[in-house]
Amino acid sequence: DTEVTQTPKHLVMGMTNKKSLKCEQHMGHRAMYWYKQKAKKPPELMFVYSYEKLSINESVPSRFSPECPNSSLLNLHLHALQPEDSALYLCASSQVNSGEKLFFGSGTQLSVL
Amino acid sequence: GEDVEQSLFLSVREGDSSVINCTYTDSSSTYLYWYKQEPGAGLQLLTYIFSNMDMKQDQRLTVLLNKKDKHLSLRIADTQTGDSAIYFCAGGGRDDKIIFGKGTRLHILP
Repeated sequence: DTEVTQTPKHLVMGMTNKKSLKCEQHMGHRAMYWYKQKAKKPPELMFVYSYEKLSINESVPSRFSPECPNSSLLNLHLHALQPEDSALYLCASSQVNSGEKLFFGSGTQLSVL
Repeated sequence: GEDVEQSLFLSVREGDSSVINCTYTDSSSTYLYWYKQEPGAGLQLLTYIFSNMDMKQDQRLTVLLNKKDKHLSLRIADTQTGDSAIYFCAGGGRDDKIIFGKGTRLHILP
């Protein structure tokens, strides 16, 4: 299994809603990532979990809250988002966090109204 | 910090070769990568090269690395309509972060 699975594929939410994005991998990778990608731009790193511990937070606003319940799962909890947070949210994993090749999921396309 | 530069757009006739170029600033990267992104999809790891290699071939794909000039290229032979996508060059930067270029949109002409 070489897949990173993300759900949901599409999400529309209001600014007062609370929602969660989910990501799962079964490759035994010990590093998992959240990226945000705006249209026609490269992915921007948000968070890195290494061995289930948050190792990098790229100064992301607190309305985004990551969680790593176990080595296969990664969640991104969303609360009180702004319209400018609308983007493609990509999950990725790698064997370890040392510049290793990343495997990406297909993303969640998020629209904030 | 690390910077990765690539041209934004390339137009190629079907059947011709496509060459996408990239320059980077951080020579400490162990790996350099090419990712492909089709519309509405995530990034697919296309190929990668160790920094101590100068060439890697994988079917229609050839990666060339010139460490002296910090230049990486991806050649796609016999370009097909399914190759139409955005191609991102990426390398390991400081703190083991992967740094992406802005992406090159490859357009295939019939």
